[in-house]
Amino acid sequence: DIQMTQSPSSLSASVGDRVTITCRASQGIGNYLAWYQQRPGKVPNLLIYAASTLHSGVPSRFSGSGSGTHFTLTISSLQPEDVGSYYCQRYDSTPWTFGHGTKVEIK
Amino acid sequence: EVQLVESGGGLVQPGGSLRLSCVASEFNVSSSYVTWVRQAPGKGLEWVSIIYSGGFTYYADSVEGRFTVSRDNSKNTLYLQMNSLTTEDTAVYYCARVIRGVKIYFYYYMDVWGKGTTVTVSS
Repeated sequence: DIQMTQSPSSLSASVGDRVTITCRASQGIGNYLAWYQQRPGKVPNLLIYAASTLHSGVPSRFSGSGSGTHFTLTISSLQPEDVGSYYCQRYDSTPWTFGHGTKVEIK
Repeated sequence: EVQLVESGGGLVQPGGSLRLSCVASEFNVSSSYVTWVRQAPGKGLEWVSIIYSGGFTYYADSVEGRFTVSRDNSKNTLYLQMNSLTTEDTAVYYCARVIRGVKIYFYYYMDVWGKGTTVTVSS
């Protein structure tokens, strides 16, 4: 199965900072990638699909890029409500897999 | 409002079985893809299975042969039958609706999630 490797596993940044999370696939997956946010104690929320398409209602400070094996999620200006964990997820073929997650905290 | 509500979680001994339910509101499971995702305590998300609108089912390697997903269209409900449970299956289990489409390439995403039901496998 194709493995998804996220980095870093955790980060701490200040409000207003630009934050970048990377997700690498062990094989090419085209643009078949989504990003999810999970705030503490909450259900996951979709942020981005098709690697770079912002889901309806998601703030524009979130953006996604990449294709093939290298993908990034960027938060252009970190806000307090962005605290939580972020997961990439591939859906090019079953079985789908998630990355191990990146925990984002405010410094 | 589109909604999913899971139930059926609980405490079960290793080797035991459990059936989870996922009741859908405001959309038809018969014409939708629905997936199961689990999260072990303090861990990340793990994709478990999916059922397509046509009835095809797929599973993660970790549950293949032990878990079975099905649905009852008359009750608008999905089920996850879990057999031969181990402590590794302890987790919160979520069902989520899958939206699919095409934008040059096809895409899928999970747009609505239930609140989850907790399964604890312990002696």
